Amino acid sequence: SAVISQKPSRDICQRGTSLTIQCQVDSQVTMMFWYRQQPGQSLTLIATANQGSEATYESGFVIDKFPISRPNLTFSTLTVSNMSPEDSSIYLCSLRQGSTDTQYFGPGTRLTVL
Amino acid sequence: GENVEQHPSTLSVQEGDSAVIKCTYSDSASNYFPWYKQELGKGPQLIIDIRSNVGEKKDQRIAVTLNKTAKHFSLHITETQPEDSAVYFCAASRGSGNTGKLIFGQGTTLQVKP
Repeated sequence: SAVISQKPSRDICQRGTSLTIQCQVDSQVTMMFWYRQQPGQSLTLIATANQGSEATYESGFVIDKFPISRPNLTFSTLTVSNMSPEDSSIYLCSLRQGSTDTQYFGPGTRLTVL
Repeated sequence: GENVEQHPSTLSVQEGDSAVIKCTYSDSASNYFPWYKQELGKGPQLIIDIRSNVGEKKDQRIAVTLNKTAKHFSLHITETQPEDSAVYFCAASRGSGNTGKLIFGQGTTLQVKP
């Protein structure tokens, strides 16, 4: 399986600021996703990061709050904009390779907003 | 919409005993069912998965069973060890390669007591 890395691994931010999370994969992948995991909760899909085009957002998530870029097949970024304490979560990058169903997750970025 | 229910939310067993976690899904078109293990401070790790054309799959101490008629699937861990302690998530999707979206259960916190 592909190796997924995320930066930063954790951060503490002030409300009203923005943070950009990077996801790097060691091989080209077809599908990349961004998930949110609120404290003690399950995983919720934020959006599918489409290479060379706008991301596809799930209900309840908007581009102005969570802008996503995917300039190539191995890299994507998620920005959490105008943060509030409610944005404190683990943000996870995920991928599928080829046309398989198998999905892998990165180590996550642990965000605390004060 | 699609929904996955997972039970129990917490499970405590003695080392060497078996552990069973159960999930039910609502979307009858679901055909891919992965299980993830998430250790503290890490991203979810795929441990086993099953597709709807089989009823059971084993990998050493881990097995998954699927009952399509009843729309439920279960994770079985035998001879549990302290390192099995983690949060386990089930998920379901329609598969079909690029189009399937994973819907996650709420998670089960497994504690294996030495």
